[in-house]
Amino acid sequence: DQQVKQNSPSLSVQEGRISILNCDYTNSMFDYFLWYKKYPAEGPTFLISISSIKDKNEDGRFTVFLNKSAKHLSLHIVPSQPGDSAVYFCAASGRDGNKLVFGAGTILRVKS
Amino acid sequence: DVKVTQSSRYLVKRTGEKVFLECVQDMDHENMFWYRQDPGLGLRLIYFSYDVKMKEKGDIPEGYSVSREKKERFSLILESASTNQTSMYLCASSLPRGGAEKLFFGSGTQLSVL
Repeated sequence: DQQVKQNSPSLSVQEGRISILNCDYTNSMFDYFLWYKKYPAEGPTFLISISSIKDKNEDGRFTVFLNKSAKHLSLHIVPSQPGDSAVYFCAASGRDGNKLVFGAGTILRVKS
Repeated sequence: DVKVTQSSRYLVKRTGEKVFLECVQDMDHENMFWYRQDPGLGLRLIYFSYDVKMKEKGDIPEGYSVSREKKERFSLILESASTNQTSMYLCASSLPRGGAEKLFFGSGTQLSVL
């Protein structure tokens, strides 16, 4: 049973518009959430994270929102650029902090 | 620049072969991990290690074993490869708690078992 779910396998967005990627989790013990980006033939790279004590974290064009009551987080990319086209993985960790549980990923295509 | 290096980018093996996937990190990280990535399933944890000669099972350890004789090296072993082990294998490393967000991944090994 997947504890971290990304229900949209793919998303297509026009360059300059907002991309919103969603993620749901089921385990209430998760207290740290992360987004990773993966290009073809490369390993995933860390993008942005958020602790459960916050509801928003921003880093340049990337913002992650956390809604603990709904067990939902989202990644906003504004404005979207063609170089953002990649697979985005949502991940979560519990109090032991060392293991990450990943979602299935969402393929983002930004069209120019 | 930090680096996690996986020895092979592509591997083709036959059913029943013993397969070794090697991973080396140069960041002096205590934690090392092996994941496999499959379409629609994301990254699933096979095994991990918090220290030399230490290993713990992840979510899908069946059919795999690991070895960590040195801090920088973490090997994944498929004792008898099967076709359902065809996958992208990703090695990662991190610091202990407080550094979990900084999982550094290798480029991956695409393994095909025929």
